Amino acid sequence: SQQGEEDPQALSIQEGENATMNCSYKTSINNLQWYRQNSGRGLVHLILIRSNEREKHSGRLRVTLDTSKKSSSLLITASRAADTASYFCATDAFLTQGGSEKLVFGKGTKLTVNP
Amino acid sequence: NAGVTQTPKFRVLKTGQSMTLLCAQDMNHEYMYWYRQDPGMGLRLIHYSVGEGTTAKGEVPDGYNVSRLKKQNFLLGLESAAPSQTSVYFCASSELKPTGPNQPQHFGDGTRLSIL
Repeated sequence: SQQGEEDPQALSIQEGENATMNCSYKTSINNLQWYRQNSGRGLVHLILIRSNEREKHSGRLRVTLDTSKKSSSLLITASRAADTASYFCATDAFLTQGGSEKLVFGKGTKLTVNP
Repeated sequence: NAGVTQTPKFRVLKTGQSMTLLCAQDMNHEYMYWYRQDPGMGLRLIHYSVGEGTTAKGEVPDGYNVSRLKKQNFLLGLESAAPSQTSVYFCASSELKPTGPNQPQHFGDGTRLSIL
């Protein structure tokens, strides 16, 4: 079952504009992560935000987390054509073996940045 | 430093054939995962391992088996391939830190598998 759901499913913008993607999840979490996937490649980790954090920055990326609304947003500022990719949020979910955890991924937002 | 390497990159099988997908990581990570990615479905966890010699079921384990005889390798087996197993398979690894096991995952570039 999906823990995280991204919105919108697809987003098309012009180079230089900002892109905002949202993620909603269902249960309490310890952390939420964002990943990028370029076409034909594996996922690449972008940023991790813990449940006690509200905002985190990394270069042109800004992630917010609202645990009361069970939602997160990823903002890419001054987008470039190279930012064209699919973006996934992932939240942790407890498993039974030894208290270990796994990530549950959403279905992703496909971002297209037009030159 | 290669990171996570998956072999093969592409494979076409006939229904009923068997094969093994190999994942190797050179980062000394404790945790390893196998996912499948299908259009519109996101990534779904098949099996995972929390250390050498351990394996556990994920969300969609049926039809697959795994082994982790060495810390750096995680094998995914299809005993009798079915068309429903046509997918892109990704392996990932992550390290164990004092802050907890759910650290960022490092992914390979996938194996594209078609079952005819």
